[in-house]
Amino acid sequence: DTGVSQDPRHKITKRGQNVTFRCDPISEHNRLYWYRQTLGQGPEFLTYFQNEAQLEKSRLLSDRFSAERPKGSFSTLEIQRTEQGDSAMYLCASSQPYLAGTENTEAFFGQGTRLTVV
Amino acid sequence: DAKTTQPNSMESNEEEPVHLPCNHSTISGTDYIHWYRQLPSQGPEYVIHGLTSNVNNRMASLAIAEDRKSSTLILHRATLRDAAVYYCILRDVLARQLTFGSGTQLTVLP
Repeated sequence: DTGVSQDPRHKITKRGQNVTFRCDPISEHNRLYWYRQTLGQGPEFLTYFQNEAQLEKSRLLSDRFSAERPKGSFSTLEIQRTEQGDSAMYLCASSQPYLAGTENTEAFFGQGTRLTVV
Repeated sequence: DAKTTQPNSMESNEEEPVHLPCNHSTISGTDYIHWYRQLPSQGPEYVIHGLTSNVNNRMASLAIAEDRKSSTLILHRATLRDAAVYYCILRDVLARQLTFGSGTQLTVLP
């Protein structure tokens, strides 16, 4: 397995356009997370999936953002009507299924998609 | 989420040990202490985690104070490849996500 894969690595878009990012998690991981990271800051949690169910969303995830994970495999994050403030690194992470005794399993992160809104 | 406090930056010489401190005075009994690091242009990478006892793995050691209000990540011999931002994170036993702070930027000098 090559780890968590994100595509594209870089995206430049004009303000007002829609963008979509893809994340392919590690194959046996049923938990998937999206984070956003701006320059000089640590990653901020956006949303969490367990299989195909989106179980948690941060208040940072405005109604212009939507995430899906059809069939519990890859996930997409879409931003509609992009704004300059959306410029950031978008990180995807995955981790193993929750089993008793395996609490706090490590999260594996992808290399991220760097979005620049001009 | 309970908060952590880390120095903004630290420097170390190559091949010397590095001790990265983290204060977490409001830690609760169900909080695990996690460390992740982020190399330039990469996503964060898991380093180590612990609850009460000191922990060792191939990357580092984690020393946890007896009262659990502080911890120290120890890199036994720093290399240039260890230059990264190191994040100390408290994560409740049932929490789903990680809550990152600003971390410590470690610079390793040749």
